[in-house]
Amino acid sequence: KQEVTQIPAALSVPEGENLVLNCSFTDSAIYNLQWFRQDPGKGLTSLLLIQSSQREQTSGRLNASLDKSSGRSTLYIAASQPGDSATYLCAVIGGSQGNLIFGKGTKLSVKP
Amino acid sequence: KAGVTQTPRYLIKTRGQQVTLSCSPISGHRSVSWYQQTPGQGLQFLFEYFSETQRNKGNFPGRFSGRQFSNSRSEMNVSTLELGDSALYLCASSLATSDDTDTQYFGPGTRLTVL
Repeated sequence: KQEVTQIPAALSVPEGENLVLNCSFTDSAIYNLQWFRQDPGKGLTSLLLIQSSQREQTSGRLNASLDKSSGRSTLYIAASQPGDSATYLCAVIGGSQGNLIFGKGTKLSVKP
Repeated sequence: KAGVTQTPRYLIKTRGQQVTLSCSPISGHRSVSWYQQTPGQGLQFLFEYFSETQRNKGNFPGRFSGRQFSNSRSEMNVSTLELGDSALYLCASSLATSDDTDTQYFGPGTRLTVL
């Protein structure tokens, strides 16, 4: 059974700092991996999708990497801003007709 | 293009009642999935509908059911509500292209409170 773990559960950093969020999964047979952002009481916003054949994806200040063999992904946020404060969720999908399996998320707080 | 919409946004019900939640996917999206989010369990998959058929189902009791209409809109029903059903219910839609670039787009959710 696939399990997704995110460490740390919460992180507080000063504005401007570069940071890394971690995600690990137990079954390396994934179809793709997605990183989402969730603001309090809101839905999820898709940030990046990494296909199983890819090693990384970039969007603006965000860079996500994927190492299937070790069951790990990282989300790198450069030059963090207070507006980046949110919960970041990692999710994997096992096949074209599979469902997303989520980690519990990392709650990020960026202090001005 | 309009995003995924969910109605209502907030609901308060009492134990034993039933509730119906609605989801309108992004235009052209054929797959609709439902997830339950609670502080203790996080996000858990309920079910997925594609072309009016349930294609995938999570590990929830039969009190949770859903359906999809020909225009891809979906409804989710919970009967005999329990206190533990209090949660944020999220709907997601995708093109269902059957390739690994298929992205799920989420709605704002329906906050259900059971008293």
